[in-house]
Amino acid sequence: ETGVTQTPRHLVMGMTNKKSLKCEQHLGHNAMYWYKQSAKKPLELMFVYNFKEQTENNSVPSRFSPECPNSSHLFLHLHTLQPEDSALYLCASSQLSLAGGSYNEQFFGPGTRLTVL
Amino acid sequence: DQQVKQNSPSLSVQEGRISILNCDYTNSMFDYFLWYKKYPAEGPTFLISISSIKDKNEDGRFTVFLNKSAKHLSLHIVPSQPGDSAVYFCAASAWYGGATNKLIFGTGTLLAVQP
Repeated sequence: ETGVTQTPRHLVMGMTNKKSLKCEQHLGHNAMYWYKQSAKKPLELMFVYNFKEQTENNSVPSRFSPECPNSSHLFLHLHTLQPEDSALYLCASSQLSLAGGSYNEQFFGPGTRLTVL
Repeated sequence: DQQVKQNSPSLSVQEGRISILNCDYTNSMFDYFLWYKKYPAEGPTFLISISSIKDKNEDGRFTVFLNKSAKHLSLHIVPSQPGDSAVYFCAASAWYGGATNKLIFGTGTLLAVQP
């Protein structure tokens, strides 16, 4: 496997279900991200993990719970979601630049299309 | 309030002609800008970027222009090819040489290149 992979690619869940989205990066990067893309809205940054530590929580409801067990894996645990949470969830990774270093772009996975019934 | 705006949801261009995609931003602290391209059922892929210390960056058929005073950037594709048909996202970062890796995205422009 190369790049950034995400599983599952599609997920349908009820509001009372608990599910998890998985992301794995094979690029040796040290930063990972969760984004949400709803119809006709910009990609919204949800969480940032730098060196396995969460450095950004963009006012995300607690029904979304991220987990980063190591620098290659990122999970998004879902529970008691609402229909408005239906969206494409994208994972990305990048090599965090040190101060004064070059900017390193983010590489995205294919996304998980989530439908909440 | 959207800090990065792509006001054209779609653009249609003939093959071989120039495609110009536009992006405006409101935050004067942004110092790094990127364009991503997205095909259906795939994640966005990085296309080209520009630092605020430059006003132009070119990579093959793709050129990005930055007008800091107008807080505007554009992506030019010359010549356009049918394989360029995709959604193009503009993104910006207040990078400060590594202080943050947070990207703010626009809503995207769907480019259709007609054969």
